[in-house]
Amino acid sequence: SSELTQDPAVSVALGQTVRITCQGDSLRSYYASWYQQKPGQAPVLVIYDKNNRPSGIPDRFSGSSSGNTASLTITGSQAEDEADYYCNSRDSSNDHPVFGTGTKVTVL
Amino acid sequence: DVQLVESGGALVQPGGSLRLSCAASGFTFSGYSMIWVRQAPGKGLEWLSYISSTTYTIDYAASVRGRFTISRDNAKNSLYLQMNSLRAEDTAVYYCARCLMAGSGTYYFDYWGQGTLVTVSS
Repeated sequence: SSELTQDPAVSVALGQTVRITCQGDSLRSYYASWYQQKPGQAPVLVIYDKNNRPSGIPDRFSGSSSGNTASLTITGSQAEDEADYYCNSRDSSNDHPVFGTGTKVTVL
Repeated sequence: DVQLVESGGALVQPGGSLRLSCAASGFTFSGYSMIWVRQAPGKGLEWLSYISSTTYTIDYAASVRGRFTISRDNAKNSLYLQMNSLRAEDTAVYYCARCLMAGSGTYYFDYWGQGTLVTVSS
């Protein structure tokens, strides 16, 4: 089965831009969706189908994809963006959803 | 508003069984596929099981296949996860989520419950 690999942690200064990456073979066939999870809370969908934002998600969140890598970019990071972020895609070998390993974003 | 509310989490001994429920409201439950996802303490998200709107398609992660059974009752707007032969490594918060598929074939999960804690320990 496929794996999706993310950097364990990244930090960003308040107001600056941070890019979170997700790598895996399945991303050559399917786009990623992205989820934000704050401590003690359920995940929240922030980007789906490469670069679509659900209602209520600020436009500072954007997604992109190239080859085997999907990216989530936060432009103008805010303190409330500090959270864990998980990518998800569809395993091309068995059609199962698969989550990335997660990235902890710290806003300095 | 869309709401998903899980229940049924508890402390259970290894080898025991538990049935989780997910009560849905605020949308036409029978029209959507659903999934279960879990998160072990301090760990990442793990997809467990998928059920289509009509139950025609059901699938499981290898880690739970043969031990867990997903089901739904569209008349009761409810999703279930029957968990048997529980192991210490099944200890986690269990979430239900609504599952959609984009035109590109990509899954995404737009609404999640708050989770229910399952602890497997003697």
